[in-house]
Amino acid sequence: QVQLQESGPGLVKPSETLSLTCTVSRGSINSHYWGWVRQPAGKGLEWIGYMHYGGNTNYSPSLKSRQTISIDTSRTQFYLSLSSVTAADTAVYYCARGDYRSGSFFLDYWGQGTLVTVAS
Amino acid sequence: DIQMTQSPSSLSASVGDRVTITCRASQSISNYLNWYQQTPGKAPNLLIYAASTLQSGVPSRFSGGGSGTDFTLTINSLHPEDVATYYCQQSYSPYTFGQGTKLEI
Repeated sequence: QVQLQESGPGLVKPSETLSLTCTVSRGSINSHYWGWVRQPAGKGLEWIGYMHYGGNTNYSPSLKSRQTISIDTSRTQFYLSLSSVTAADTAVYYCARGDYRSGSFFLDYWGQGTLVTVAS
Repeated sequence: DIQMTQSPSSLSASVGDRVTITCRASQSISNYLNWYQQTPGKAPNLLIYAASTLQSGVPSRFSGGGSGTDFTLTINSLHPEDVATYYCQQSYSPYTFGQGTKLEI
């Protein structure tokens, strides 16, 4: 079955750009939707956004101005870029595969998550 | 944005109990509602999509219901491994999660 693995710096300085990579294995990236969710320590889940392999995107309005999601099908990877970070962006970041069925969009395969801390 | 409110925020039940968690949307979302289970230190796991469809591989003691604004997740005959936090997620747009319900035994 599909496996996802996040990678990237665990520490980012305030005002800089957070960049994460999600590597997809045991499955094709040329289908489905590929997204990101984050979770601050001890808190709930927050939707970040997704990108369809065909290029369509869906971003959280609260993060839309700072985020970009992109896909490299040749590397079977997709990426999250979040600019001008602050301490409020400190969280575990999950990548996940998305799908639509019966009109509902859901995330059916998840990476294990990676902790990103924003601090100087 | 559509607000999702789960109740209760936490609950304690016994092995074998039937447990119901509720998720209410601030406006109608048809059946665009999913449920996830998250155990400590792990990624969320999809249980139910489109309000009532059981994800492949999920035990049949889990079931979902509702439409419009009110939804339920029911666990029949609670097992010890069901200790987790449960989240609803709406996909009407923009996508949002409920605040979570922590289930203890």
